[in-house]
Amino acid sequence: GQNIDQPTEMTATEGAIVQINCTYQTSGFNGLFWYQQHAGEAPTFLSYNVLDGLEEKGRFSSFLSRSKGYSYLLLKELQMKDSASYLCAVREGDYKLSFGAGTTVTVRA
Amino acid sequence: IAGITQAPTSQILAAGRRMTLRCTQDMRHNAMYWYRQDLGLGLRLIHYSNTAGTTGKGEVPDGYSVSRANTDDFPLTLASAVPSQTSVYFCASSDSAHNEQFFGPGTRLTVL
Repeated sequence: GQNIDQPTEMTATEGAIVQINCTYQTSGFNGLFWYQQHAGEAPTFLSYNVLDGLEEKGRFSSFLSRSKGYSYLLLKELQMKDSASYLCAVREGDYKLSFGAGTTVTVRA
Repeated sequence: IAGITQAPTSQILAAGRRMTLRCTQDMRHNAMYWYRQDLGLGLRLIHYSNTAGTTGKGEVPDGYSVSRANTDDFPLTLASAVPSQTSVYFCASSDSAHNEQFFGPGTRLTVL
């Protein structure tokens, strides 16, 4: 199984940058995912990393270091609508995901 | 149907009662999952199915059962509900062509 750690809460100002770290321990790594979840809604997919390095998608980027068991999600040019929980998830095998407890990001004007 | 749907949206249930949460997807995904989400604990996998006709236990399977008679439907049954099963339940699906899981809107269940 996995042990997935991420900070509980982060606060940032509109227009700023925030980096959410995620560390994990797993016996059979097969990909790392980041999901966004607004309060009262379902999680939605943000990014996927399976090889080391940076994946960029608009204002959001995700980085992975498999040797360190480490990933981060970078949110740039923060907007009020980015206030949400961000979930780090690790896949073992073909399908199953294990999720961290999530990081609640609050964007302030 | 567009994507993945769940029913009911919310339910209040007396302890000891039987309850089935429904999940249907129209994306022809082979794999489906049930999670519960509790404050501070994140999403935890209850049961999963890699393909129609097969199921497997996740991290917290006790008190729950599932079936996968066809590709589209994956119901979750609580045989005799207990208050600790109060949670938000999410169904999800995925296939080998896409890396991500797609989540349904969730069912908020309260067991009194």
